[in-house]
Amino acid sequence: QVQLVQSGAEVKKPGSSVRVSCKASGGTFNSYAISWVRQAPGQGLEWMGGVIPIFGTPSYAQKLQGRVTITADESTSTAYMELSSLRSEDTAVYYCARTVRGLSAASLYYFDYWGQGTLVTVSS
Amino acid sequence: DIVMTQSPDSLAVSLGERATINCKSSQSVFYSPNNKNYLAWYQQKPGQPPKLLIYWASTRESGVPDRFSGSGSGTDFTLTISSLQAEDVALYYCQQYYSRPFTFGPGTKVDI
Repeated sequence: QVQLVQSGAEVKKPGSSVRVSCKASGGTFNSYAISWVRQAPGQGLEWMGGVIPIFGTPSYAQKLQGRVTITADESTSTAYMELSSLRSEDTAVYYCARTVRGLSAASLYYFDYWGQGTLVTVSS
Repeated sequence: DIVMTQSPDSLAVSLGERATINCKSSQSVFYSPNNKNYLAWYQQKPGQPPKLLIYWASTRESGVPDRFSGSGSGTDFTLTISSLQAEDVALYYCQQYYSRPFTFGPGTKVDI
């Protein structure tokens, strides 16, 4: 069955960067996209961006543009999300989610499988 | 950005009774060339990631009990749990994937 396994919890200082990985198994990595969604403590869900591995070109939420980088390595079926210039408001659980897509690079749809989540805490 | 709102914020329903959650988008998420509404529903239990329930506004994900149903079009959508079970206690989110950034509603808490 499809599984997305994320890397472990991180504690970071303000101004630093964090990189979270997401390894997919049980499906065809290149047939889907991978999105990243975060959830601050007690808050709702926020889409950060996504990438279609075979195209390689990511799209990002404008709010995070310039601070977030999403990549995918087809050879290892692993996606990565790096967030820089961390501030306390970035403290959240970060999820990767397999994203059903259409034929074009612009067509990202709904999230059918999710990783277990990675807690990133930003604190001095 | 498309703003998603949900009502009510929370509701308490007796076991076996119907629960209805409403979701409204600030602009239409209906794409006429393919006659589809770009709207999904997710269920999230404490300490767990969200789980996909419904996509294209009314298509139930494989394995989701048929007591869950989605309806609506354009800007107004509804998730219905026809006969609430104890395991349905959770937060429910709607999400549009019509345009980026993809956005979620604030969530509706369903309790017994």
